[in-house]
Amino acid sequence: GENVEQHPSTLSVQEGDSAVIKCTYSDSASNYFPWYKQELGKRPQLIIDIRSNVGEKKDQRIAVTLNKTAKHFSLHITETQPEDSAVYFCAASKAGGYQKVTFGIGTKLQVIP
Amino acid sequence: DTGVSQNPRHKITKRGQNVTFRCDPISEHNRLYWYRQTLGQGPEFLTYFQNEAQLEKSRLLSDRFSAERPKGSFSTLEIQRTEQGDSAMYLCASSLYSGALQETQYFGPGTRLLVL
Repeated sequence: GENVEQHPSTLSVQEGDSAVIKCTYSDSASNYFPWYKQELGKRPQLIIDIRSNVGEKKDQRIAVTLNKTAKHFSLHITETQPEDSAVYFCAASKAGGYQKVTFGIGTKLQVIP
Repeated sequence: DTGVSQNPRHKITKRGQNVTFRCDPISEHNRLYWYRQTLGQGPEFLTYFQNEAQLEKSRLLSDRFSAERPKGSFSTLEIQRTEQGDSAMYLCASSLYSGALQETQYFGPGTRLLVL
């Protein structure tokens, strides 16, 4: 089955700096990669996703890149703000009758004011 | 509220008791998923439904766990003879599957279970 590895497990950055979280996946058939943000005690919320037919996607301060050959994808947050502090999960899934989503272990991001 | 809802939000029970959780998906969504999340981990897949049919169950789902979605709308997850190892956050998610591209799963707030 699919295996998603995520690092780092914790990340501290100064407000205004950039944060990068990296993930790798094992199943070359995976072709959908969502990123979720989970604040303490709250539900995971989708912040951005990317499909395998594109290499990069941006949404304001958030961008995701995908390298299908290397089977890794990354989340980039620029101009970080204290409200970006949360746990971020990457995930991978593939098209087909059952679209099981496999999550990474999560990265706890702390933005220091 | 048009999002996924779950009840109860918190449940404390004694070992050996049975518990049941409910999930109400986004109304037009035909797929419903159950996940378990422990501290410091990502959500782990338990089972999922398409309409009322339970299509797959994880090996994590022991015989003590059962899930239903009788009318293809809300779903229940029951844990019988709870064990301390069952303590976790149980998350429900729903999506609209159309058979084409991967659909986005939207999560509920979760039910936090503590087994004493």
